Amino acid sequence: NAGVTQTPKFQVLKTGQSMTLQCAQDMNHNSMYWYRQDPGMGLRLIYYSASEGTTDKGEVPNGYNVSRLNKREFSLRLESAAPSQTSVYFCASSETGRSWETQYFGPGTRLLVL
Amino acid sequence: SQKIEQNSEALNIQEGKTATLTCNYTNYSPAYLQWYRQDPGRGPVFLLLIRENEKEKRKERLKVTFDTTLKQSLFHITASQPADSATYLCALPFSGGYNKLIFGAGTRLAVHP
Repeated sequence: NAGVTQTPKFQVLKTGQSMTLQCAQDMNHNSMYWYRQDPGMGLRLIYYSASEGTTDKGEVPNGYNVSRLNKREFSLRLESAAPSQTSVYFCASSETGRSWETQYFGPGTRLLVL
Repeated sequence: SQKIEQNSEALNIQEGKTATLTCNYTNYSPAYLQWYRQDPGRGPVFLLLIRENEKEKRKERLKVTFDTTLKQSLFHITASQPADSATYLCALPFSGGYNKLIFGAGTRLAVHP
């Protein structure tokens, strides 16, 4: 089992460019999450998907959109990148989405917006 | 609103000693709390979950306590090793819903030989 995989590992964008971060899990989990991690601020939830076909905003959703393509895949899109979106992005999954469950994280995507 | 505080300064200890990390929270009374480990350039990995009625939980060299009166959790690593060097994050459920977590910023632990 690969667990949670993310692509790309690293990306440099210019302000205003768009891109999609891909995430896939092979654990048959129902719930998936996108976080960003900035120095000194911890992980902040951007969007989550409690189950296939549903998505909800997290703590910092502005400037992002998500798609739950199927049970395995959950993508994060930046339509018009801004320097404030420079961060490390983590995708995670959990079995049914209850907050006492373990969340399994991917290796992260490091994004630099110039 | 909910707030989680972890010591932002790195904790430096000698190999073999016990490391103690602190997680304080405010404006909330969670029923449980999780601890994760994060190595540089990698995603967090789950370590332990403790419930409010457990007070203390152990897993090998790890021990977690949960004091709901002080609104604090302590994370201990006994007989620490250089391989324990990492950042440790605590996480609590969002007060507004049961299906989201809020994470602390983490404390970096460095164990020196």
